[in-house]
Amino acid sequence: SQTIHQWPATLVQPVGSPLSLECTVEGTSNPNLYWYRQAAGRGLQLLFYSVGIGQISSEVPQNLSASRPQDRQFILSSKKLLLSDSGFYLCAWSVSQGANEQYFGPGTRLTVT
Amino acid sequence: GENVEQHPSTLSVQEGDSAVIKCTYSDSASNYFPWYKQELGKRPQLIIDIRSNVGEKKDQRIAVTLNKTAKHFSLHITETQPEDSAVYFCAASIGGQNFVFGPGTRLSVLP
Repeated sequence: SQTIHQWPATLVQPVGSPLSLECTVEGTSNPNLYWYRQAAGRGLQLLFYSVGIGQISSEVPQNLSASRPQDRQFILSSKKLLLSDSGFYLCAWSVSQGANEQYFGPGTRLTVT
Repeated sequence: GENVEQHPSTLSVQEGDSAVIKCTYSDSASNYFPWYKQELGKRPQLIIDIRSNVGEKKDQRIAVTLNKTAKHFSLHITETQPEDSAVYFCAASIGGQNFVFGPGTRLSVLP
């Protein structure tokens, strides 16, 4: 069966510091991968999605970037965090072909101080 | 691009009553419509979905209906229970790549 991992689970970082969040998927090949951000009490905002290694689509302009160095690894980064980057970051995957279910990882709760 | 609206933003029902949440989408090319349940501090969990070639789908107390002409779809929960209390999100997708979520509905089931 498929499993999706995210780490760290929680993170407190000062403004201006760098960020690296990692997501890995097990039990499937060539998945679509997604990064979402959820502000407190709000909906899900799609940040990036990837249909393959090195292929990243960005949905919103921001100081965040994403990379997919391996088939089942998706990384979210920032060189300098802003206060507004605080939130619940969720990685998700879906099967690459067709309209298929999307499954979320456990999330990383980021607080920028 | 796709825009998904969701109503109501909050919903309170008595235990045992039914709850209905409605979503509208803008892009007629969207062909996959999932519903997620999110409990406080946890990840969204897929509870039911529907594809554009189907008008209705049911799974025990949960059902989803889709009206492609009007571009709206709805979640129906019957015989609600306290454990149904959560935030529910609808979403629309084209080919399973770019998912656009509604803003969410906070459902409270009162004992």
